[in-house]
Amino acid sequence: RKEVEQDPGPFNVPEGATVAFNCTYSNSASQSFFWYRQDCRKEPKLLMSVYSSGNEDGRFTAQLNRASQYISLLIRDSKLSDSATYLCVVKWALEGGGNKLTFGTGTQLKVEL
Amino acid sequence: DARVTQTPRHKVTEMGQEVTMRCQPILGHNTVFWYRQTMMQGLELLAYFRNRAPLDDSGMPKDRFSAEMPDATLATLKIQPSEPRDSAVYFCASGLSGTTEKLFFGSGTQLSVL
Repeated sequence: RKEVEQDPGPFNVPEGATVAFNCTYSNSASQSFFWYRQDCRKEPKLLMSVYSSGNEDGRFTAQLNRASQYISLLIRDSKLSDSATYLCVVKWALEGGGNKLTFGTGTQLKVEL
Repeated sequence: DARVTQTPRHKVTEMGQEVTMRCQPILGHNTVFWYRQTMMQGLELLAYFRNRAPLDDSGMPKDRFSAEMPDATLATLKIQPSEPRDSAVYFCASGLSGTTEKLFFGSGTQLSVL
């Protein structure tokens, strides 16, 4: 089983739609959770952190369910510019010190007119 | 804007050749990560340095890959000898320990081994 799993998609949605992505992780000792965004042929960039109580950033809402070990990202009123691959990221501590960030393979979103 | 600089952007080489990829982290950042990205596997962590010391290289094939930080402004990833299965995009990222989640990625090196 992969440490972080995501539905690869693609999710094809019309502009203005609401779309949700889920991500599951296997390490119950995971400490922190994030969503990164990666545009085609570009580098990943941090989109938002995921807090235990859930958090919002404009049209984006992130949720965490520790008991079920999954994270979600909701995008409301999707725009053409939201088309990208969304990477779920999980952080846990390394035995020798430091932290490890593990990325999911990403979910591709295509927003269409 | 401060950014992570990776060279070369593209590299095409023949099987068996040595490949060296370089990364200049953002000034002041003390953590450096090397990731490899393929369609099938996504982003895989190869090596992780903090204050130039390697903390984790468990994801790196030791027989042919090596990663070093000769100084705080340069990280290198070498493959010797290269194989076709090494073809991928290699990303370097830097950050500050304590805020490891906020990684800044370079533009990547697209490697093709023929």
